[in-house]
Amino acid sequence: AQSVTQPDIHITVSEGASLELRCNYSYGATPYLFWYVQSPGQGLQLLLKYFSGDTLVQGIKGFEAEFKRSQSSFNLRKPSVHWSDAAEYFCAVGAALDGNKLVFGAGTILRVKS
Amino acid sequence: GAVVSQHPSRVICKSGTSVKIECRSLDFQATTMFWYRQFPKQSLMLMATSNEGSKATYEQGVEKDKFLINHASLTLSTLTVTSAHPEDSSFYICSARAGYSTEAFFGQGTRLTVV
Repeated sequence: AQSVTQPDIHITVSEGASLELRCNYSYGATPYLFWYVQSPGQGLQLLLKYFSGDTLVQGIKGFEAEFKRSQSSFNLRKPSVHWSDAAEYFCAVGAALDGNKLVFGAGTILRVKS
Repeated sequence: GAVVSQHPSRVICKSGTSVKIECRSLDFQATTMFWYRQFPKQSLMLMATSNEGSKATYEQGVEKDKFLINHASLTLSTLTVTSAHPEDSSFYICSARAGYSTEAFFGQGTRLTVV
């Protein structure tokens, strides 16, 4: 069965520090991988996605993620965090074979301290 | 970018009543729409997938008679929570996908509180 694991429930970083949010997946087919951000009480905003090709993908707001097939990982990174990045981040996996419906990880809440 | 509008953003209803949530794609034709449910401090769980003009496909454990989904047009899908109970209180989010696109766009979500 498909699954997505985000091992960190909460992460706190200082403003200006670098950030890495972990995501591991289990999927039988070639996956599409996504990172979304959700502010409290809001819907989801797509940060970036990986379908194929270059394994390092750039997203909005200065985020990037690297797909590592050998590790079944798709970690999200940002070199310098801003206070406005505080939110909840979800990793998701899908595939055309499954009608592109998404399986989400449990989410990681990011807190930014000044 | 593509815009998906969900309405209402918040609704409070009495136990036993029904509530309808609308999901509209504003600038594209959504051949497929997905409905998710999110409990507090938890992730999103897919409830059902609906294709325009067809019956929705429900995920295991989701009561199709309780959560009625209609996708009658390429720009509108509705989720009706029938005979709502307090345990149905949750955050419901829709997403919409056009044709063979691999990307779905999310609505703002609806916070349902059943009292």
